[in-house]
Amino acid sequence: GDSVTQMEGPVTLSEEAFLTINCTYTATGYPSLFWYVQYPGEGLQLLLKATKADDKGSNKGFEATYRKETTSFHLEKGSVQVSDSAVYFCALSDQGSGYSTLTFGKGTMLLVSP
Amino acid sequence: GAVVSQHPSWVICKSGTSVKIECRSLDFQATTMFWYRQFPKQSLMLMATSNEGSKATYEQGVEKDKFLINHASLTLSTLTVTSAHPEDSSFYICSATTGELDSYEQYFGPGTRLTVT
Repeated sequence: GDSVTQMEGPVTLSEEAFLTINCTYTATGYPSLFWYVQYPGEGLQLLLKATKADDKGSNKGFEATYRKETTSFHLEKGSVQVSDSAVYFCALSDQGSGYSTLTFGKGTMLLVSP
Repeated sequence: GAVVSQHPSWVICKSGTSVKIECRSLDFQATTMFWYRQFPKQSLMLMATSNEGSKATYEQGVEKDKFLINHASLTLSTLTVTSAHPEDSSFYICSATTGELDSYEQYFGPGTRLTVT
């Protein structure tokens, strides 16, 4: 079945450092890929997405490129802020029956210090 | 827009009792709602998918008689944990989709922390 593997956290960085959170996936078809973010005490929010190979999703300074050859969707940000501290989930969707089910990675906690 | 709420945000109940968790879409009609369970430091595990007015579809290994799901309207789905036991303690999260063109996007509630004593 489908699966998502992402690096374990916590990832601890200083403000303005470069961020990479690795995510690889296994899927039988051609899934769409997502990054969700969960701030403390809040629900998951869609951060960015990519629906086909070589697509780059971007939002709030975060980027991720859908790499079919390496089955990866790594999340990057050039300069993190304290406000980026949250848990980040990589996920893929399996389209069908008019809606998609999501398969999530375990989540990676990011802690950014001033 | 696309806000999903859950109630309660946390609940403590005694073993053997039942507890109901509500999931509401506040500003859109949700044709499909999902229920997830999340253990500490684990990923979200899909429990079931529900469509308004029809029976929920449960994932393999999820007891449908224990986790009762009712999607009574386009803005409300409920999860009832029946005869709860300590192993049911977990974080339960719901999500909803609009069923429109971008139907792959799910909007998540903030979650409900259930502790069974």
